[in-house]
Amino acid sequence: AQTVTQSQPEMSVQEAETVTLSCTYDTSESNYYLFWYKQPPSRQMILVIRQEAYKQQNATENRFSVNFQKAAKSFSLKISDSQLGDTAMYFCAFMKFTRGADGLTFGKGTHLIIQP
Amino acid sequence: DADVTQTPRNRITKTGKRIMLECSQTKGHDRMYWYRQDPGLGLRLIYYSFDVKDINKGEISDGYSVSRQAQAKFSLSLESAIPNQTALYFCATSDSTGYGYTFGSGTRLTVV
Repeated sequence: AQTVTQSQPEMSVQEAETVTLSCTYDTSESNYYLFWYKQPPSRQMILVIRQEAYKQQNATENRFSVNFQKAAKSFSLKISDSQLGDTAMYFCAFMKFTRGADGLTFGKGTHLIIQP
Repeated sequence: DADVTQTPRNRITKTGKRIMLECSQTKGHDRMYWYRQDPGLGLRLIYYSFDVKDINKGEISDGYSVSRQAQAKFSLSLESAIPNQTALYFCATSDSTGYGYTFGSGTRLTVV
C-alpha cells in the first residue's frame, strides 16, 4: 500500500513571498503519478499540478512548480509570488498506474495562509 | 452544468437511517470513485469502479455500499448511518490515462 506524508499541517507567509510545501511518499510501484490539489473554502478540489514518475523534468504551471526527487520519494510544491487567492488547503496525492488510472492516495493536507 | 454532479449538496440525517448519495457525470469517463474527507485526515478512497461490471473496495469500504447504474451514474449508500460517518463526500471520475481526473463539488453529510 502507498502512503503520502505532508509534514506541515499549517503554513503562513506574506503576500508576494515564495513558499514551499513538503510531501513525501512511500511506494513499491514503478509506474505512478503525483498530484497537488488545492481546496479553497468553497471545498472544490482543484488540480494544481501533476507529475508522471517516468519524467525526470519537474512540472511547472505558471507560478507553481514541483521539485520531484524520485529516489528520495519527495514531491514538494513551490508557489512563487504568492497571492491572497492561494489561501487554501493543499493536498499531495499519489496514483499508481497498473490498470491505467487508479484511485488516489492523499496526504493529510497543509493549510496555507497568505497574509496581506 | 457541472461535469460531475453530486446530490444532495448538504444532508442531515438521523442515526440508523438509510441514505444514498448520488453522482452523475457528463465526461464520458469509465472510471468513477467515491472519497471521504475528514478534517486532518485528507481524502480516503471508499469504492471505485472501472466500468459498470467492475466495482472495487477502497481503503475504508466498511459501512458503505455502491451501485453503478450506468456509465454515467455511481451511487454511494449508507445502509444504517452512524455519527462516525459524518464527513464530506466526494465523487470523482477519470479516463484510463488519468488525465481529466475530475471531482464533484462534494456532499456534506451530518449524522445526528
